[in-house]
This record gives sequence, C-alpha cells and structure tokens, in this order.
Amino acid sequence: GQQVMQIPQYQHVQEGEDFTTYCNSSTTLSNIQWYKQRPGGHPVFLIQLVKSGEVKKQKRLTFQFGEAKKNSSLHITATQTTDVGTYFCAGPPSGAGSYQLTFGKGTKLSVIP
Amino acid sequence: DADVTQTPRNRITKTGKRIMLECSQTKGHDRMYWYRQDPGLGLRLIYYSFDVKDINKGEISDGYSVSRQAQAKFSLSLESAIPNQTALYFCATSALGGVTDTQYFGPGTRLTVL
Repeated sequence: GQQVMQIPQYQHVQEGEDFTTYCNSSTTLSNIQWYKQRPGGHPVFLIQLVKSGEVKKQKRLTFQFGEAKKNSSLHITATQTTDVGTYFCAGPPSGAGSYQLTFGKGTKLSVIP
Repeated sequence: DADVTQTPRNRITKTGKRIMLECSQTKGHDRMYWYRQDPGLGLRLIYYSFDVKDINKGEISDGYSVSRQAQAKFSLSLESAIPNQTALYFCATSALGGVTDTQYFGPGTRLTVL
C-alpha cells in the first residue's frame, strides 16, 4: 500500500531560525495537503498543492510539490513560538476514486525562545 | 473546528467493555472519517463513509465497527475494548467531489482502556 514518509521526526530550533520538513510518498499523489496540529489540539488544514512543481506561500511558510508529484516540503522562515506543533503531510494516491488521505507520521517542531 | 463535535472528549474504560464514540457535524459534508492517533505513528484511518449507505474499511479496522446514522452523524464502536486501543481518536469530514478533499477534524476523544 501507499506509504508517506516524513523527515525529520523531531526538530528543535532557536526562535528566528528556519525550519524545513520533507515528505516523500511511495506512489504518485493526485495532490498533497499539509496540516498543523498544535499541542493538545487537532489537525488543522494549512494548504493543498495540486500541480507538479507548484510552490505556494503563506506569510513565512513556503510549500513545494515535487515535479514527479511524489514529494513535498514545508519551509518556515524565521520561526516563532507560535509555530510550535506537529506538521503532517497527507495525500491520496493518483487514480480514480482515490479519496483516502494517507498521512505521514509528522514532524514535531519545538521552538526555543 | 467547532463544526465537527465529538463525544465524549475523554473516556476511561476497562478491558472487555463496549464503547461508542460519537461524531456530529454541521458542515453539510457527505464524507466522514474515523482516525486513530498514537504517538510517533501519525494518523491512521479506521473507517470512512461517503454517504449513509456507503461504509468502507480503512487501514486498521480490526476491532472496530461504525454506524452512519445520518449524513451528520458517524459513530465508532469498540465491541470489546482492549488496552492497545488506548489512543486519541479523531473524526473528520470532507466535502464531496473534485480534487478538493480537505479534511476538517473534530477536537478528538482521548480513550484509555485499562
């Protein structure tokens, strides 16, 4: 079955440093979605990328979808304490009727003030 | 998301007991999902439903059953709870159609099986 891997599993950064998490799928994805889960909270949708090579920005967050639609990355510039949480990527495999999301195990970000 | 509610929020039970977790949504979405979250394992799909008459097993359905009572309600049951079902359970919903399958999660139910 489809596998979605994320690295690193944990990342500790000093406030103001940059942060990047990487997501790799064993199969081609029709789209990739990113979610953020704050400590004690529930996953919240951040963004969806659909096109090969797509890049989207949300303030200090930059999301990329690979050319082969099998990998993605999330980059945070100048982290803040509000960025703390676990970031998950998720995607349905390409193909008709594939609406299930397979989630990566997440990258837990800690920001040291 | 306040549009997706789960009850109870916390539950402690004993091995062998039958437990039902409930999920309700006011988003008008057709699709509903149950996930389980364990530390270091991310979110794993238990069951999903595309409408009242359509129920599908996910990655880890053994030991669980579901009921879609209405478009807005999706319940997860543990017929005979066991300790390794101790986890955080999330219900989620999404709208039907297209590539937009963004999922909206409820606040979660923390279940402990002793």
